[in-house]
Amino acid sequence: EPEVTQTPSHQVTQMGQEVILRCVPISNHLYFYWYRQILGQKVEFLVSFYNNEISEKSEIFDDQFSVERPDGSNFTLKIRSTKLEDSAMYFCASSVDRYYNEQFFGPGTRLTVL
Amino acid sequence: SQQGEEDPQALSIQEGENATMNCSYKTSINNLQWYRQNSGRGLVHLILIRSNEREKHSGRLRVTLDTSKKSSSLLITASRAADTASYFCATDGPTIQGAQKLVFGQGTRLTINP
Repeated sequence: EPEVTQTPSHQVTQMGQEVILRCVPISNHLYFYWYRQILGQKVEFLVSFYNNEISEKSEIFDDQFSVERPDGSNFTLKIRSTKLEDSAMYFCASSVDRYYNEQFFGPGTRLTVL
Repeated sequence: SQQGEEDPQALSIQEGENATMNCSYKTSINNLQWYRQNSGRGLVHLILIRSNEREKHSGRLRVTLDTSKKSSSLLITASRAADTASYFCATDGPTIQGAQKLVFGQGTRLTINP
């Protein structure tokens, strides 16, 4: 069964450094998402992406964040200058249809900012 | 905020018993989905119910949706130790252009005792 994959599974970085989190959505899916989950808290929406542009972004998704679909398979989240409070689990998700919006999530990347 | 909360926050039952979790939300929705998350792991999609559906089954799972009360329930029958996890409901809608974000509740932590 097709799956969303994410790399790396765990990323440790120093405050102020740039990180790129990578995702490979399910191949026939057209809608892509990033969410994050701070330890012990609920899953929060960051950004959605369709047709090579951002559909919606949350207040969390400030100028330090960017997303890109550099080729036909990868979907990346970049954080330019990480802060301690960016430490969280980051999930990528994809869906094939925005009406029957069944979103499938990757296993997540645990980002630790020191 | 679009999302309400799951109820209860934590539930502990004996193996073989049924587990019922509830979810409330605040605004109109297109779909409501339930996800399972094992500790520190990714989100596993369980079931999606559309706003015009009232009940849906998948194996040992039964989901109901009452749009007049803006609430949903997830019933797991004949629980097993492997069902121990956190369960989240997530809603999307009303429809906008492009991708549809999900709004998650706080989750119910379910523990199945052998």
